[in-house]
Amino acid sequence: EAQVTQNPRYLITVTGKKLTVTCSQNMNHEYMSWYRQDPGLGLRQIYYSMNVEVTDKGDVPEGYKVSRKEKRNFPLILESPSPNQTSLYFCASSSPTGGDGYTFGSGTRLTVV
Amino acid sequence: SQQGEEDPQALSIQEGENATMNCSYKTSINNLQWYRQNSGRGLVHLILIRSNEREKHSGRLRVTLDTSKKSSSLLITASRAADTASYFCAHDNYGQNFVFGPGTRLSVLP
Repeated sequence: EAQVTQNPRYLITVTGKKLTVTCSQNMNHEYMSWYRQDPGLGLRQIYYSMNVEVTDKGDVPEGYKVSRKEKRNFPLILESPSPNQTSLYFCASSSPTGGDGYTFGSGTRLTVV
Repeated sequence: SQQGEEDPQALSIQEGENATMNCSYKTSINNLQWYRQNSGRGLVHLILIRSNEREKHSGRLRVTLDTSKKSSSLLITASRAADTASYFCAHDNYGQNFVFGPGTRLSVLP
């Protein structure tokens, strides 16, 4: 089944403790992206990647890192999480032109206390 | 930010009625897409319309695109309670990354 898999689904952590949210897709998509969703603000793009070893900042990259060493994986790293990073995070992938639309993961609900 | 806008922010209708949501954007685009999200879940792709298309249909969905006005609309005909969800438009940003609007929350009352 074609899918984007995010882990974990839920995560509660403390301020400053480094964490990684994993994202993997099995559709051989070149394009991958991370979004955060907050009430009233919709989806805001954090980082995106057009292909392996190619990443770029979205609208809200501060406090986040990503890497794209392999085509299928695009982890999101929070080196020193803060409470304002409490949010619902989504990973998505698509073909380069987005012709079939994005495929989204199920989301990761992160709480930083 | 190149984020577009949807309106209305929220829409409440009776089952069987049609629901229309609008989306505006700011940049040149190659395509525009509509997505649906049930509460707290991942977004599901509904329909894509390319910049050289003016109208597209998929089942009970009808999407229009007016590139001169930089706007699109999504019409859901004969709505059902199961259509209750948030709906988002998304567009590519000068052929690069994709940008989502803030969404329209649709409630279909039985």
